[in-house]
Amino acid sequence: SQTIHQWPATLVQPVGSPLSLECTVEGTSNPNLYWYRQAAGRGLQLLFYSVGIGQISSEVPQNLSASRPQDRQFILSSKKLLLSDSGFYLCAWEPTSSYEQYFGPGTRLTVT
Amino acid sequence: ILNVEQSPQSLHVQEGDSTNFTCSFPSSNFYALHWYRWETAKSPEALFVMTLNGDEKKKGRISATLNTKEGYSYLYIKGSQPEDSATYLCASANAGKSTFGDGTTLTVKP
Repeated sequence: SQTIHQWPATLVQPVGSPLSLECTVEGTSNPNLYWYRQAAGRGLQLLFYSVGIGQISSEVPQNLSASRPQDRQFILSSKKLLLSDSGFYLCAWEPTSSYEQYFGPGTRLTVT
Repeated sequence: ILNVEQSPQSLHVQEGDSTNFTCSFPSSNFYALHWYRWETAKSPEALFVMTLNGDEKKKGRISATLNTKEGYSYLYIKGSQPEDSATYLCASANAGKSTFGDGTTLTVKP
């Protein structure tokens, strides 16, 4: 069966510090991968999606970036965090034959 | 409609009440409509997927309908229970891409 992992589960970082969140999927090949953010009191915002290794599409201009160095690994990064980057970050995978997404456990990021 | 819109944004009902909420989505290049349930401190989980106009799906006390011609889906909860409290997200797949609405947050008071 397929599983999706995210880490860390929670993170507290000062403004201006770098960020690296990792997402890995097991039990499937060539999934579509997504990074979402839920800011406080708001809905799910799509940040990045990837249909293959090295293929990243950005939905919202911001100081975040994403990379997919391996088929089942998706990384969200920032060189300098802003207060507005605080939120709940979710990674999701989607079979290429379906549009149903399966979400990871999420990372709660607090920028202080 | 260019975006996926859900209404109402939030809803408070008493235990035992039946309720429903709406998801509006672009009807062009439509492929599928998903409903997800998102409980606090957990990740969203899929409830239903519908693809054909007129589709109806049911799981226990929760059901959903789909109108692809006019671009809307309804989610119904019959006899709401406190454990139904969650945010209900819909996502529309159009032209190879899924777009989520902002969700309807349901609170069921005992």
